[in-house]
Amino acid sequence: AQSVAQPEDQVNVAEGNPLTVKCTYSVSGNPYLFWYVQYPNRGLQFLLKYITGDNLVKGSYGFEAEFNKSQTSFHLKKPSALVSDSALYFCAVRDISRGSTLGRLYFGRGTQLTVWP
Amino acid sequence: NAGVTQTPKFQVLKTGQSMTLQCAQDMNHNSMYWYRQDPGMGLRLIYYSASEGTTDKGEVPNGYNVSRLNKREFSLRLESAAPSQTSVYFCASTPPVWGPNEKLFFGSGTQLSVL
Repeated sequence: AQSVAQPEDQVNVAEGNPLTVKCTYSVSGNPYLFWYVQYPNRGLQFLLKYITGDNLVKGSYGFEAEFNKSQTSFHLKKPSALVSDSALYFCAVRDISRGSTLGRLYFGRGTQLTVWP
Repeated sequence: NAGVTQTPKFQVLKTGQSMTLQCAQDMNHNSMYWYRQDPGMGLRLIYYSASEGTTDKGEVPNGYNVSRLNKREFSLRLESAAPSQTSVYFCASTPPVWGPNEKLFFGSGTQLSVL
């Protein structure tokens, strides 16, 4: 079974401070891991993904995420938050073991990030 | 370049009514998907179509049917709407590659309320 947990429904941070949005995953094989962002009344937009190689992945808008296999985590980070980063963030996983289906992702519940000016 | 286009954006139905959600993509993608988004539950896959002429069930297919009309279009039909189908529906597509270029492109969503 594949699943993703985002333990925080809401994260609040002041503009200019670092931010972290947490994600842990569970798969039986090897994971592809994704972060998507959703702005109000919009569809989801791709931020970044981990497939293999370097554990630190850099993505759009200055975001990065660190893959930690031993802790089965893929936390999203940004060194200095902006008010415009306020949005709903989703972590997702795809188990790439045999029989896996392209595009069939399992999403977390989402974390609402609010950045205060 | 429009990407993934969904219609309608909003819809209110009465229990038992039927409707079809339309989705079209102009990126020449082979694979298309229907997800639903519910508060506190993230997105869940309803149906997908790996290529033109094929469709398969996802996690929550009950109460839905799909049609892959051609490579561009993938529709989702509710035959007899129920209040439990009140949700935001997203269509998505992906190019036929694994690995570095793999990612889903989403439409802007359809907000459906069933009374």
